[in-house]
Amino acid sequence: QKEVEQNSGPLSVPEGAIASLNCTYSDRGSQSFFWYRQYSGKSPELIMFIYSNGDKEDGRFTAQLNKASQYVSLLIRDSQPSDSATYLCAVTHFNNAGNMLTFGGGTRLMVKP
Amino acid sequence: GAVVSQHPSRVICKSGTSVKIECRSLDFQATTMFWYRQFPKQSLMLMATSNEGSKATYEQGVEKDKFLINHASLTLSTLTVTSAHPEDSSFYICSASLDTRRDSPLHFGNGTRLTVT
Repeated sequence: QKEVEQNSGPLSVPEGAIASLNCTYSDRGSQSFFWYRQYSGKSPELIMFIYSNGDKEDGRFTAQLNKASQYVSLLIRDSQPSDSATYLCAVTHFNNAGNMLTFGGGTRLMVKP
Repeated sequence: GAVVSQHPSRVICKSGTSVKIECRSLDFQATTMFWYRQFPKQSLMLMATSNEGSKATYEQGVEKDKFLINHASLTLSTLTVTSAHPEDSSFYICSASLDTRRDSPLHFGNGTRLTVT
């Protein structure tokens, strides 16, 4: 059973603070890791992906991957109220069909003005 | 811009009727598309993998005779919910990758909110 675990939250941070979202996964064979943002009633939209150990930065977002410890995290700097959403961690085990993602339950983030 | 188009965005139907949801890849060919379902306050659950020109692969617990998937072309997959019941009310989302590289993310359609009365 491939599992992806996230704290459901809500995670509440003040505007301008750093929001830290964490995700652990059970399958050591997992190869690619994605963070999606989902606003209520909408479909997920891709924030970042990472597949090498270490940090990857894109604007206010930093993804961190530690394969030895089997966790991946997403940092959001200078959090804005518009960042309030559910963040889904997704892990893939690559096969010939491409990327079949397993999603975590999501962490709800609330950024308070 | 959107790379996956899904239609309709919202549908209400009566119990016992069938509903068809379309998923199109825009400007690229998708040999594989994925259908997810999401109940309120829950995460996305993969229902099936739609393969162009062959039968879909269903996840455990998903009834293939109830959720009919047709992937007749490289840009179109359809999901038909047959004999819908209120418990089928959910948010259905299709997705596809631009290619099969390991870092190629899934792009999602806008989803279809199905309400069965």
